[in-house]
Amino acid sequence: GQNIDQPTEMTATEGAIVQINCTYQTSGFNGLFWYQQHAGEAPTFLSYNVLDGLEEKGRFSSFLSRSKGYSYLLLKELQMKDSASYLCAVRDSNYQLIWGAGTKLIIKP
Amino acid sequence: IAGITQAPTSQILAAGRRMTLRCTQDMRHNAMYWYRQDLGLGLRLIHYSNTAGTTGKGEVPDGYSVSRANTDDFPLTLASAVPSQTSVYFCASSEREGPGELFFGEGSRLTVL
Repeated sequence: GQNIDQPTEMTATEGAIVQINCTYQTSGFNGLFWYQQHAGEAPTFLSYNVLDGLEEKGRFSSFLSRSKGYSYLLLKELQMKDSASYLCAVRDSNYQLIWGAGTKLIIKP
Repeated sequence: IAGITQAPTSQILAAGRRMTLRCTQDMRHNAMYWYRQDLGLGLRLIHYSNTAGTTGKGEVPDGYSVSRANTDDFPLTLASAVPSQTSVYFCASSEREGPGELFFGEGSRLTVL
């Protein structure tokens, strides 16, 4: 079966750095996405990786290793507004998105 | 403001009733999707449409139907609602080219009693 694993919840301190991991087992691979979802709101797109390596976008970076079926989202200089759930999703060989259950990130002052 | 509009935002429904969730986008995206999101589970695809006039079944299609008469509209119908269909429903759209990231509507919270 297809599976996306990510931690259920993480806690970090304002101003610090946090890394959210995602491992996947899917039928084929056509890209990995990270989305941010604030409580009671819709998911919004953060990043896309299709080749191995690091993609940097401001305070957020996303890393992919296809051989290991592994990605992480790195958030630097954490702000209170970064408190949200972070969703990992993989596009499989049928171009369908397989979603993880999300990681709830709690930022403490 | 360009984007996706869903209606209603919230609804309480008696079991056995018929319900249509509306979704309209103005980005001229070819692909549209309906997901449900339940606590502790990832987004689950109900139905999708790659282009106007075509639809396909997702992971959890039973009890739901969709139509795609034109590019902009993609309504989701529950023919006879059951309590297990209590969920938050998200409509989304994407381009077929490039990364194809999804753009989501604000969601419709449905409670079936």
